[in-house]
Amino acid sequence: QVQLVQSGADVKKPGASVKVSCKTSGYTFTAYYIQWVRQAPGQGLEWMGWINPNRGGTKYAQKFQGRLTMTSDTSTNTVYMELSGLRPGDTAVYFCARDAYRSPNSFDPWGQGTLVSVAS
Amino acid sequence: QSALTQPRSVSGSPGQSVTISCTGTSSDIGGYNFVSWYQQHPGKAPKLIIYDVSKRPSGVPDRFSGSKSGNTASLTISVLQAEDEADYHCCSNAGSYTWVFGGGTKLTVL
Repeated sequence: QVQLVQSGADVKKPGASVKVSCKTSGYTFTAYYIQWVRQAPGQGLEWMGWINPNRGGTKYAQKFQGRLTMTSDTSTNTVYMELSGLRPGDTAVYFCARDAYRSPNSFDPWGQGTLVSVAS
Repeated sequence: QSALTQPRSVSGSPGQSVTISCTGTSSDIGGYNFVSWYQQHPGKAPKLIIYDVSKRPSGVPDRFSGSKSGNTASLTISVLQAEDEADYHCCSNAGSYTWVFGGGTKLTVL
């Protein structure tokens, strides 16, 4: 079955960078975009951007322009999300999600989430 | 883009129906038939329950239904069950291959 497995929780200091991985299995890696979504404690979901694993094309939400980098590795079927210039407001659970089979305008399935804590 | 607007919380008794609204603008909900809804239990990842405004993925009970009118989308859950207690998030295409989520709604089954 389709699975997205993310890397473990991380703690960073303000100003640092974090890189979260999302290893996929159970489908053709290059056939579906991967989205990244985050959720601050007690808050709603926030769309961050996507990557096309086939050619590496990306689209980032304007809010993260200049701080966010998504990459993919077709040899390991893994995508990465790197956020730099971390601040306490970036403390959140970060999710990867695949475009859904029936509609590329929805996300299914999701990874289990990775908690990133930013504190001095 | 600004987040879509959802009520912070709704509640209902078992067997009743509840509707959760999601209000956006003509640049997102009103401009595209690409609204999706996600169910999220505490500490878990979101799960897709409605896509393309009103379609259900296989395995999602037909008690869950979606609709849209103008700039507002709605999720209706009929015959409420205890396991429906969760957070519900709406999402819409916002043009130029971008997406926007709502703030989430906590459903309490009384």
